[in-house]
Amino acid sequence: EIVLTQSPGTLSLSPGERATLSCSTSQTIPSRFLAWYQQRPGQAPRLLIYGAFNRATGIPDRFSGSGSGTDFTLTISRLEPEDFAVYYCQHYDSFGPGTKVDIK
Amino acid sequence: EVQLVQSGAEVKKPGESLKISCKGSGYTFTNYWIGWVRQTPGKGLEWMGVIYPGDSDTRYSPSFQGQVAISVDKSISTAYLQWNSLKASDTAIYYCARHSASGNYGSEFGYWGQGSLVTVSS
Repeated sequence: EIVLTQSPGTLSLSPGERATLSCSTSQTIPSRFLAWYQQRPGQAPRLLIYGAFNRATGIPDRFSGSGSGTDFTLTISRLEPEDFAVYYCQHYDSFGPGTKVDIK
Repeated sequence: EVQLVQSGAEVKKPGESLKISCKGSGYTFTNYWIGWVRQTPGKGLEWMGVIYPGDSDTRYSPSFQGQVAISVDKSISTAYLQWNSLKASDTAIYYCARHSASGNYGSEFGYWGQGSLVTVSS
């Protein structure tokens, strides 16, 4: 079983700042099977990125994904108020524990 | 428009049985894996299992194998998650979610239901 680790656990930033979130896998995985989700309070998760770097339909271009092998990154170039949420990475049948992005 | 509409909140006692549902619309139901994800209060997401409605091929997480049953009724485009004997630790929000790509087991979940809150308490 592949284990996903996310860091940091919490990221405290101000609107307009850049957010960099990391996801590490315990084994090398194909990039096409790494996805990122956003979950706002009281809402269902929403797909942001699939295949490590492809934005899902309707996702603003301030969200970008990168990485390969065992290390993947989600970057939010300039935080908007609606971006303060929890972010999860996923590979097949595993989710990471999540990174909470909150307002500093 | 793809939609997944889940059944409403449930309050049950330990030992009772339960079946919650997820109705898909706006796409060919039989062509996409559909699965269930658990979220316990204040915690993260747990992948429970998926089913391919076309042939009912079902895959479970080892953590949930034998604890729940996933099924579908193709005639009404509905997936189900069932417990025979609930425990207090089953209290959670359960989301159904559909894979983005048709027929691809490894695909991400591109569409999500609104979630069903299950509360198990004596």
